[in-house]
Amino acid sequence: EAQVTQNPRYLITVTGKKLTVTCSQNMNHEYMSWYRQDPGLGLRQIYYSMNVEVTDKGDVPEGYKVSRKEKRNFPLILESPSPNQTSLYFCASSPQMNTEAFFGQGTRLTVV
Amino acid sequence: SQKIEQNSEALNIQEGKTATLTCNYTNYSPAYLQWYRQDPGRGPVFLLLIRENEKEKRKERLKVTFDTTLKQSLFHITASQPADSATYLCALDRMNSGYSTLTFGKGTMLLVSP
Repeated sequence: EAQVTQNPRYLITVTGKKLTVTCSQNMNHEYMSWYRQDPGLGLRQIYYSMNVEVTDKGDVPEGYKVSRKEKRNFPLILESPSPNQTSLYFCASSPQMNTEAFFGQGTRLTVV
Repeated sequence: SQKIEQNSEALNIQEGKTATLTCNYTNYSPAYLQWYRQDPGRGPVFLLLIRENEKEKRKERLKVTFDTTLKQSLFHITASQPADSATYLCALDRMNSGYSTLTFGKGTMLLVSP
């Protein structure tokens, strides 16, 4: 089944403790991206990747890192999480940049 | 500044009626526009894509129009059903550091009552 898989689905962590949210797609898509979704603010792009080893900042990249060492994986790294990074996070992939996006199930992160 | 505006108030309609949702944008010149459906706590699901040179696109009970002069897209669901209740997001492509990225509106919640 074609899908984008994020892990974990839910995470509660403490301020400053490094964490990684994984994202994997099995559709051989070139383009992947991370979004966060907050009430009243909608979906905002954090980082995106056009292909292996090619990444760029989205609208809200501060406090996040990404890497794209393999085509299928695009992990989101929070080196020192803070409470303002409490949010619902979505990973998405597309065959190309201007085609439909396939989203993961979401990761609900709480930083206390 | 660039803006994508969707009606923040929920749209309540009766089953069987046509729902019409609006997406307005300013300071964009998108080559295409997409519509997604999102259920609570779940990832958005792609519905339709329409390109700037297309006026209208249909898929089953769904219809999307794209007016680049008015800078507006309308999303219609005909013969609406309670199962159509969800939040609907429009998304535009925009250039960012030489690459095209997808920017989303905040969405409009649709509630279809039996």
